[in-house]
Amino acid sequence: DTGVSQDPRHKITKRGQNVTFRCDPISEHNRLYWYRQTLGQGPEFLTYFQNEAQLEKSRLLSDRFSAERPKGSFSTLEIQRTEQGDSAMYLCASSSRRTGRRADTQYFGPGTRLTVL
Amino acid sequence: AQRVTQPEKLLSVFKGAPVELKCNYSYSGSPELFWYVQYSRQRLQLLLRHISRESIKGFTADLNKGETSFHLKKPFAQEEDSAMYYCALHYNQGGKLIFGQGTELSVKP
Repeated sequence: DTGVSQDPRHKITKRGQNVTFRCDPISEHNRLYWYRQTLGQGPEFLTYFQNEAQLEKSRLLSDRFSAERPKGSFSTLEIQRTEQGDSAMYLCASSSRRTGRRADTQYFGPGTRLTVL
Repeated sequence: AQRVTQPEKLLSVFKGAPVELKCNYSYSGSPELFWYVQYSRQRLQLLLRHISRESIKGFTADLNKGETSFHLKKPFAQEEDSAMYYCALHYNQGGKLIFGQGTELSVKP
């Protein structure tokens, strides 16, 4: 399967613990995005990378959140000192940035469902 | 501020009936809009984008800049169309998508 993959698919943790999620984009996609989706809502943008550079972070991304894409391939999203409000589906997407003004199509992974007890 | 609004959380129709899922947007630039679909237990996937002006699975959507709308339509709904549908706006400054809250379409036999 050459689609976007995410690991783990489910994570249950206790409040105050740290968690890390991984996203493997479609190979050769140079853009990688993280979104968060809570129940009954559409996905909300968190951050994105072009190659290894993190180009934008949402105000939703508090200091407890950090994302990396060290070699411009896979990415990790870490949440420190988790809170119950962090419980959500965390989605990763990737795209291939093309020249010109047209938006590139984002391909989504299956998501990681985080439950903070 | 950039915003996407899908006013209906749930839309229930009978098989063979026409379907229209509403989407309105607020954006000061030149918008690029998408419809994504999520079938049960599957990942979010692109259904169509306004730039391509194509029909996918019988669905079409026309961008109406005057009404700032991008409604999704299908003349005859099928049971397999039952899914969550999300309208999304591409924000030109950067690559992010701004999603609406989603509409659950239920097509009854």
